[in-house]
Amino acid sequence: EADIYQTPRYLVIGTGKKITLECSQTMGHDKMYWYQQDPGMELHLIHYSYGVNSTEKGDLSSESTVSRIRTEHFPLTLESARPSHTSQYLCASSPTGGAVARSTDTQYFGPGTRLTVL
Amino acid sequence: GDSVTQMEGPVTLSEEAFLTINCTYTATGYPSLFWYVQYPGEGLQLLLKATKADDKGSNKGFEATYRKETTSFHLEKGSVQVSDSAVYFCALRGRAGGTSYGKLTFGQGTILTVHP
Repeated sequence: EADIYQTPRYLVIGTGKKITLECSQTMGHDKMYWYQQDPGMELHLIHYSYGVNSTEKGDLSSESTVSRIRTEHFPLTLESARPSHTSQYLCASSPTGGAVARSTDTQYFGPGTRLTVL
Repeated sequence: GDSVTQMEGPVTLSEEAFLTINCTYTATGYPSLFWYVQYPGEGLQLLLKATKADDKGSNKGFEATYRKETTSFHLEKGSVQVSDSAVYFCALRGRAGGTSYGKLTFGQGTILTVHP
């Protein structure tokens, strides 16, 4: 069973606030990901990391930033939240496998943070 | 680039009906293919996967076969239950060495509602 945690589960804040969404995993996975899920349910990759001190932008442009100082922790920060940031944010992680990666390429998802910016 | 196209929903079925959710993909080489399920208020859970052509993934009565010739990975279940009501996502993971390696490309999701 995967162990990946996100806090808070729900957040309602006002425009202009700085927020950090937390994501932690206890599986020692090198790879971690942030997805944004819009009301139509489609998932968009906004950030990913292949290890400590490694972060990359995903397929969907986002005003958020991420950091990866420790293997188990991959927080996402919005410096100044706006109503357009209202969405569900899902964090995921996966192990690294090299030649045997195909058998270990499953991504494990956290429960998500539902963010509402008023 | 890689893409996944899923059957549009929502899909509404009666309990014990047969389920098919179509999924086709576009990718170079031999991607790994996945079905994820999202229950209300939760994150995604892996339902099943297949890593090479003709592989069949199965779990909880659901099945999907990796068809290279038709670039498809349709999800099926012979007899659905009310508890199967959820959103189902088809996804692929690009092959090693490609620009999509390690990242998942998702379909748009299909809402399934099963009535008693």
